[in-house]
Amino acid sequence: NAGVTQTPKFQVLKTGQSMTLQCAQDMNHEYMSWYRQDPGMGLRLIHYSVGAGITDQGEVPNGYNVSRSTTEDFPLRLLSAAPSQTSVYFCASSYSRTPTRGGYTFGSGTRLTVV
Amino acid sequence: KNQVEQSPQSLIILEGKNCTLQCNYTVSPFSNLRWYKQDTGRGPVSLTIMTFSENTKSNGRYTATLDADTKQSSLHITASQLSDSASYICVVGDSGGGADGLTFGKGTHLIIQP
Repeated sequence: NAGVTQTPKFQVLKTGQSMTLQCAQDMNHEYMSWYRQDPGMGLRLIHYSVGAGITDQGEVPNGYNVSRSTTEDFPLRLLSAAPSQTSVYFCASSYSRTPTRGGYTFGSGTRLTVV
Repeated sequence: KNQVEQSPQSLIILEGKNCTLQCNYTVSPFSNLRWYKQDTGRGPVSLTIMTFSENTKSNGRYTATLDADTKQSSLHITASQLSDSASYICVVGDSGGGADGLTFGKGTHLIIQP
């Protein structure tokens, strides 16, 4: 089925550990982005990419790195995990940064706990 | 700063009843407004998208309205079903060119009781 696939679904990290959250889409979308969702807050943009080889920072980029070597994949790296990064992370994709039809397609999320 | 406020924060209604969720925004320059449905443990799924010139859009039992003058939108759910239990997120897009140009509301948590 076409869509956005995120792995893993759940992860527990110790403070200071690093890890990569994977995101892949098979819809040939140029635009991909990462959000975090915390209780009582709206989704906040971490990083985004308008195409392979192009990435940029969103609202809350500190502590995270991204790369976009292919159209399909957009991994999010936590460099040195901190308890403040405990959150649910969503990857999204679209044919455009500002689609006028449909909307973003979101993955099912990765629930990350940093202890 | 762009803001999107949703009300109520949570709502409980009986199956079969109708309900209306509200979204007020201060986003400039306005481009579009979207409603998403997010089931527990899942990612958001797009319900409707409206641009400045559109004042209503339907998707099955979901009808969204937009008043660009008062900067308000509503999502009306008709004949609610148990599967409508979810969070509903209002997202407003701007055409300012920065990042993804989206401002997310915190969502309304809707519970449908049998």
